[in-house]
Order: sequence, then structure tokens, then C-alpha cells
Amino acid sequence: DGGITQSPKYLFRKEGQNVTLSCEQNLNHDAMYWYRQDPGQGLRLIYYSQIVNDFQKGDIAEGYSVSREKKESFPLTVTSAQKNPTAFYLCASSINGIDRGETQYFGPGTRLLVL
Amino acid sequence: GNSVTQMEGPVTLSEEAFLTINCTYTATGYPSLFWYVQYPGEGLQLLLKATKADDKGSNKGFEATYRKETTSFHLEKGSVQVSDSAVYFCALRILTGGGNKLTFGTGTQLKVEL
Repeated sequence: DGGITQSPKYLFRKEGQNVTLSCEQNLNHDAMYWYRQDPGQGLRLIYYSQIVNDFQKGDIAEGYSVSREKKESFPLTVTSAQKNPTAFYLCASSINGIDRGETQYFGPGTRLLVL
Repeated sequence: GNSVTQMEGPVTLSEEAFLTINCTYTATGYPSLFWYVQYPGEGLQLLLKATKADDKGSNKGFEATYRKETTSFHLEKGSVQVSDSAVYFCALRILTGGGNKLTFGTGTQLKVEL
């Protein structure tokens, strides 16, 4: 079955620690995205990538970093510079990030908690 | 800038009741409009979409019509079920050089009771 997988489901971060969230897709999609979801605030875009080895900042990129070395993978690192990292993180992908009505497909999410 | 406003929840209905979740938008261009649904502990799934004015998106008994004159995309269902309990997100996308970026509303929680 094609889809998007995110791991782990829950992740705990200690103060000053960097943590990496995994996102893998086997949909053969060119475009991938990371969103952050906080209660009562909807989803906000962190980073997105339309092609391998290229990515752009979204609306709330500070304290986060990404890489896109393979088409299938788009890992997100939450750095120690992100002072309020507790949130639900959602990865998504779409065919090419160009078409007007293009659907984004979402993974099941990773919940990050700070110890 | 672009923004989406949804009615606040939670919305609590009895099974078989009629559902309306209001969504209005502000956009600098001509957006495509989407409704996504999130079941507890899961990611989002596309429910329906419309890409131009007067288009009606529909799926699983839900429908929404793109109203450019009122900048609205209200979600409706004639008879809700307990299994429809979820959070519903309205979203828009403006075609720019920056890719397929979605702007989401804050979500409306729907609770359906027997």
C-alpha cells in the first residue's frame, strides 16, 4: 500500500537536545511538507521541498532544519533553538507542488513532548 | 495576506441532524479551497475540494460550494453519523512560485451523539 509513514509516534526531548522526526513516502511524489499543529491554531507550515536537494522555509522555520537527499525522505530536525517545541508534527506530500487543485496527503503525525 | 476563518467548536449534534460548518476566506488572488478531516490521533485526510467559483465539492455525503461573491466555502451534510465525529479544517491555496502551500483555518471539532 502506498502512503506516508512518520516515526516515532511519540518523541521526548530534553532541554538543549536536537531531535529528528522521520518522514518517508512511497507515493513517488516530488513535493513534501512539514506542518506543526498546536491546539486552537490549526496547521502552520514549517518547511517544504518540491524537488530533491532543494527546500524552502515556510511560515515558522526558526528553530527547525530539514534535508531532502532522497525523493522518498524528508526528515525534520527540531533544534535546541526552538524554545517551544511541544506540538503535533505532520508530514505531507503531493505530486509536484504545482497543480492548482493538487491534493496533499498526510502522514499519521509525531507528537513531540519536552521533558 | 491569505487567511481562513472557521466557526469555533465544538459543535455537538444528535445523529441524523443537519450539519453546517462555516468557512470564509481572505485571499490576495484566486484560491483553490479544501476541506480536510482529522480523526482522533491521526493525520489529515482530504474530504473535498473546489478549484473555481461555483464549483461544488462532494464526498461521503458532505458537500461545499465555492462562493466567490461571499468568499465562503461552508461545509454541509444532511444527516450526520457518530462516525463523523472529528475535527474539520478548511484550507485555501493560492498558486504562487512558492509551491503547493496550504493556509488552514483553526479547525472545528464536531461531536455527534446517539
